Amino acid sequence: NAGVMQNPRHLVRRRGQEARLRCSPMKGHSHVYWYRQLPEEGLKFMVYLQKENIIDESGMPKERFSAEFPKEGPSILRIQQVVRGDSAAYFCASSADRVSQPQHFGDGTRLSIL
Amino acid sequence: GESVGLHLPTLSVQEGDNSIINCAYSNSASDYFIWYKQESGKGPQFIIDIRSNMDKRQGQRVTVLLNKTVKHLSLQIAATQPGDSAVYFCADPGVTGGGNKLTFGTGTQLKVEL
Repeated sequence: NAGVMQNPRHLVRRRGQEARLRCSPMKGHSHVYWYRQLPEEGLKFMVYLQKENIIDESGMPKERFSAEFPKEGPSILRIQQVVRGDSAAYFCASSADRVSQPQHFGDGTRLSIL
Repeated sequence: GESVGLHLPTLSVQEGDNSIINCAYSNSASDYFIWYKQESGKGPQFIIDIRSNMDKRQGQRVTVLLNKTVKHLSLQIAATQPGDSAVYFCADPGVTGGGNKLTFGTGTQLKVEL
């Protein structure tokens, strides 16, 4: 029973580069959520997606950040022109349906910006 | 707006003692709460949840109590073990947007002393 899979586990980028974070939800789950966690803080919601649809992106920064969940393949969180402040752990969670709880989390991608 | 907060950032207990971790919430309309455990370098792991029609729910060595009058919930861990050392978060899916946006508190670091 594979859980939520995220890759890479660690990602290092220089300022101005692009970062791509991938998330494969649990088998049978079609709802994906992305959260960001800064050191010593709780997780902050970024975006909620279903297959081919963005349902709620109220936590996404207005610029440079985008997310998708295509019909085939993993969900992708893309950060363009990264800055030092983007350094954080990014977690993905999935659920079977809109009201099914709890959300199950992956082990995250640690993004470091040089 | 909604907020979920933890009373103490760090809790130290002796192995074998009981641990109590507290959480306050602000939205009286919140009807579902989740406790997560996060070990270093890993994603949040579901521990136990409770709905607002309940005051108490028990799991294996864990109990969650919900006091809707004062908008407070607690996580009790019986016979705390070294493996319980982690950061514990309460989370609230919220009531806006269909309740999919988890709001996390900042967490309580539980340290188990041998």
